[in-house]
Amino acid sequence: AQSVTQLDSHVSVSEGTPVLLRCNYSSSYSPSLFWYVQHPNKGLQLLLKYTSAATLVKGINGFEAEFKKSETSFHLTKPSAHMSDAAEYFCVVRGYNYGQNFVFGPGTRLSVLP
Amino acid sequence: DTAVSQTPKYLVTQMGNDKSIKCEQNLGHDTMYWYKQDSKKFLKIMFSYNNKELIINETVPNRFSPKSPDKAHLNLHINSLELGDSAVYFCASSQAVMVRTSEETQYFGPGTRLLVL
Repeated sequence: AQSVTQLDSHVSVSEGTPVLLRCNYSSSYSPSLFWYVQHPNKGLQLLLKYTSAATLVKGINGFEAEFKKSETSFHLTKPSAHMSDAAEYFCVVRGYNYGQNFVFGPGTRLSVLP
Repeated sequence: DTAVSQTPKYLVTQMGNDKSIKCEQNLGHDTMYWYKQDSKKFLKIMFSYNNKELIINETVPNRFSPKSPDKAHLNLHINSLELGDSAVYFCASSQAVMVRTSEETQYFGPGTRLLVL
């Protein structure tokens, strides 16, 4: 079975300061991990993904995430927040049996203050 | 030139009605999905089809019936709509479901906002 925990339902940062959105996962199999972003009233867009290659993954818009197997974590970071980063962020895990679901975390709402 | 499209974008209807939401992808993907996003933004998978074959069917009332006429389309039909069906429904597609590849990324449609009155 797989599960995803996003430790913060809401994170608020000032523009220009670092962003840290936390994600912990549980998976019976070596997982693939994803971060998606959803802007208000929009669909979901892939930010980045880990699929067993480099453990530090770079994504779009300056975001990156590090896969840490020992900590079962896949935290999302950005050095400097921009107002346009305000959105809902979802961490997603997928294991490797046929028909395995993509399991979404509950989401973290990021607010960016001027 | 939208990769995954859904129609309609908004759907307002009365309790008890039957409605359909259409989804089409032009990415050549083999697998398509339906997700429900509730008012708290929680996303849950409902169905997944691979090459027109149902492979995931989560605990969803049988009032919901997916139909895949070909691998580029996965429509969602809902009978006897209830107030609790109000949500945003997202369609998605991905290339691979059986093996781990770099192409397993899901691509999402813009969503259909369903409101049942």
